[in-house]
Amino acid sequence: KAGVTQTPRYLIKTRGQQVTLSCSPISGHRSVSWYQQTPGQGLQFLFEYFSETQRNKGNFPGRFSGRQFSNSRSEMNVSTLELGDSALYLCASSQSGLAGGPLVETQYFGPGTRLLVL
Amino acid sequence: QKEVEQNSGPLSVPEGAIASLNCTYSDRVSQSFFWYRQYSGKSPELIMSIYSNGDKEDGRFTAQLNKASQYVSLLIRDSQPSDSATYLCAATFNKFYFGSGTKLNVKP
Repeated sequence: KAGVTQTPRYLIKTRGQQVTLSCSPISGHRSVSWYQQTPGQGLQFLFEYFSETQRNKGNFPGRFSGRQFSNSRSEMNVSTLELGDSALYLCASSQSGLAGGPLVETQYFGPGTRLLVL
Repeated sequence: QKEVEQNSGPLSVPEGAIASLNCTYSDRVSQSFFWYRQYSGKSPELIMSIYSNGDKEDGRFTAQLNKASQYVSLLIRDSQPSDSATYLCAATFNKFYFGSGTKLNVKP
């Protein structure tokens, strides 16, 4: 079974631009979560999508948004890029996600998209 | 207080030794617990999950959960240089909460 895929793998943008990142979950997984990872802040939760609906959201400004399609693929968008948005953006998928009952299911991570904002 | 706390390390152990990685968590996050390994420049990969008190073994890895003391640990037996990585502890309460990771160096 193919793993989680993310495109593009590397991206260079300038301040003020916007960017869209894509994530395809493991086949059969309906939940996609997005994380930002920086050396200073570690792994920070952005949001989770399940069945095309945002189910959980982290503490990020509204410049960060996402969506999920009917085939469970997800995109995240960052508008008006800032230097501090330079990070590794990780997508993780699971079968039923973060609110699937008393036990939260395992998440499997994609390879990530490394974004550099100049 | 952060939901999940880990000592950032680095933790250095000689090859063949047991590496012990520890993680504490707050009351809020107490459903499920996970250990991920992350090599430099790569994404996290799952090592183990544990849901109930006690030990869970998988090859050279043993996860230990103590809910009364609110800690979870990962033991790596017969440590190898290839085990050198950052180990992330995660706990969940409706979403994943990750610790900042412990860097492990296994010296040949």
